[in-house]
Amino acid sequence: AQTVTQSQPEMSVQEAETVTLSCTYDTSESDYYLFWYKQPPSRQMILVIRQEAYKQQNATENRFSVNFQKAAKSFSLKISDSQLGDAAMYFCAYPTQGGSEKLVFGKGTKLTVNP
Amino acid sequence: EAGVAQSPRYKIIEKRQSVAFWCNPISGHATLYWYQQILGQGPKLLIQFQNNGVVDDSQLPKDRFSAERLKGVDSTLKIQPAKLEDSAVYLCASSLGVGYNEQFFGPGTRLTVL
Repeated sequence: AQTVTQSQPEMSVQEAETVTLSCTYDTSESDYYLFWYKQPPSRQMILVIRQEAYKQQNATENRFSVNFQKAAKSFSLKISDSQLGDAAMYFCAYPTQGGSEKLVFGKGTKLTVNP
Repeated sequence: EAGVAQSPRYKIIEKRQSVAFWCNPISGHATLYWYQQILGQGPKLLIQFQNNGVVDDSQLPKDRFSAERLKGVDSTLKIQPAKLEDSAVYLCASSLGVGYNEQFFGPGTRLTVL
């Protein structure tokens, strides 16, 4: 079965500091996408960043960047200059093969930002 | 642009009762997803529609769960009869189409089965 593993159930960071959330996955595909979604408390899940596996360059969106290691099947999320509004559950996800591109999610990492 | 709407936001029922959830996707989004998110876990896809046809329902417990998407727009998810283990947040999401498109999520319906 295709799986996504987030080994850090909880993480904390000081405001303005940098934190890295880990994710590993298992796929036999050669071309795929990877996603990080953010779920703030009692709010909707939103897409943070997306990485295309065939691109060697790591994706960046403002303070969010990824470290994508295709051979190691690792896809970590780095949050720079952390803000109080970054506090949320973060889920790593990727679409399984086939026409549905069904997203498989990890169990999530709860990020706390301390003032 | 209006987001994905879901109702109700909260529902408490007794086991063996029935419940239905409603979702209105973003206008123009052909693909609609229903996820189940149990406390402490990531969302798990229950069913995926492309317009009004089912693309994937492999993880839908068909003996008690049903879903439909009439006219390729709104969708309802029903549970009959509910079990204690159905307590979860039910998320609806939509996207422009099948493929590696961003999925937009609704606020979810939190179901408690007593």
